[in-house]
Amino acid sequence: NAGVTQTPKFRVLKTGQSMTLLCAQDMNHEYMYWYRQDPGMGLRLIHYSVGEGTTAKGEVPDGYNVSRLKKQNFLLGLESAAPSQTSVYFCASRTSVKAADTQYFGPGTRLTVL
Amino acid sequence: GIQVEQSPPDLILQEGANSTLRCNFSDSVNNLQWFHQNPWGQLINLFYIPSGTKQNGRLSATTVATERYSLLYISSSQTTDSGVYFCAVSYSGNTPLVFGKGTRLSVIA
Repeated sequence: NAGVTQTPKFRVLKTGQSMTLLCAQDMNHEYMYWYRQDPGMGLRLIHYSVGEGTTAKGEVPDGYNVSRLKKQNFLLGLESAAPSQTSVYFCASRTSVKAADTQYFGPGTRLTVL
Repeated sequence: GIQVEQSPPDLILQEGANSTLRCNFSDSVNNLQWFHQNPWGQLINLFYIPSGTKQNGRLSATTVATERYSLLYISSSQTTDSGVYFCAVSYSGNTPLVFGKGTRLSVIA
């Protein structure tokens, strides 16, 4: 049981390049989330999904797209990277709508856009 | 949306000292959780505590929902307690958590 995994762990992009971050969970969770963490800003929600085939915008969705084609995977895409997207990206998942259910986080992806 | 404020932003402690971290939130919530991010970046859930008091070893938490605040107590701190502590809230179980900016704790031996 690997929990929540993220690929890649590190990446350096040039302005204008595109990339996709992969989040995978093996806990059969319904809900999945993408956050970004910037110094002094805490975690801010980018997009989330409440089930396979669904996505919704979070607090800071601009410049990102997501897809949830399979229940276990949640992809975050940057179509044209900008230096402002330099950040640490965390994926998380949880099992149901019960508030007490623990949210599990992946190890993070450190992205630098030059 | 909900606003979450945590204090203090930074805290330095000698090993063995006790500390209290505070989380204020701007609206009534049905979900409040505390997380710890270790120095390597891993985030771990500590408590689900929308109201009342819970204890887990040297850590305990209290939420006074009517006054919209929560406190995280760390007793006899150890160097392994270092990291960032986040409070996160949401209106209900099916709305996403909103995180505060965190309290960075450094425990010195």
